[in-house]
Amino acid sequence: EVQLVESGGGLVQPGGSLRLSCAASAFTFDDYAMHWVRQAPGKGLEWVSGISWNSGITAYADSVKGRFTISRDNAKNCLYLQMNSLRAEDTALYYCAKLTVAAGSGPLDLWGQGTLVTVSP
Amino acid sequence: DIQMTQSPSSLSASVGDRVTITCQASQDITNYLNWYQQRPGKAPNLLICDASDLETGVPSRFSGNGSGTDFTFTISSLQPEDVATYYCQQYDSLPLTFGGGTKVEIK
Repeated sequence: EVQLVESGGGLVQPGGSLRLSCAASAFTFDDYAMHWVRQAPGKGLEWVSGISWNSGITAYADSVKGRFTISRDNAKNCLYLQMNSLRAEDTALYYCAKLTVAAGSGPLDLWGQGTLVTVSP
Repeated sequence: DIQMTQSPSSLSASVGDRVTITCQASQDITNYLNWYQQRPGKAPNLLICDASDLETGVPSRFSGNGSGTDFTFTISSLQPEDVATYYCQQYDSLPLTFGGGTKVEIK
């Protein structure tokens, strides 16, 4: 089955770190750019970061630039998000999503179920 | 960054009604506009790309239109399974940006 499965979320104190993972299956992972999108409780969708098929291009929302790092391991069909210096406002459900193309921007045509990150003392 | 303004933020309509949602971009995005459906407790699901192209398997009661800065999303005959929040998203340039969402309920 074509799917994305996120993991790594949890409760962390302000200033702490977490590493999210997203395992892809049943499609050619290294043909596509991948993105992270988050959704704070009861709020809308916010794009966080994206990475091209070969990791050559990465991009970040201003709200996470310098604190979050996106990466991928095509041999393992896995996407990552290293989150440092976490703040209360980073509390959200984090989705990984597949782009329809190898780089840049476009439609996100496959989403995981999300992993919840809660930043609280 | 390109701002996406979506309206209304919520609506309530009867089964069988025609429902229309609008999305306005802060600058010309040609047709680089997608629509997503997010059912309660679920991940978003791509319904329409390039402003008007229906994804495979999406019912034909859903449609999209527009170009430039003004776009519409229509459900021609609202069904109970359409209860969800709908989002527009531009991909003319990074950062990808989403509209604020429209929550659709059954009256």
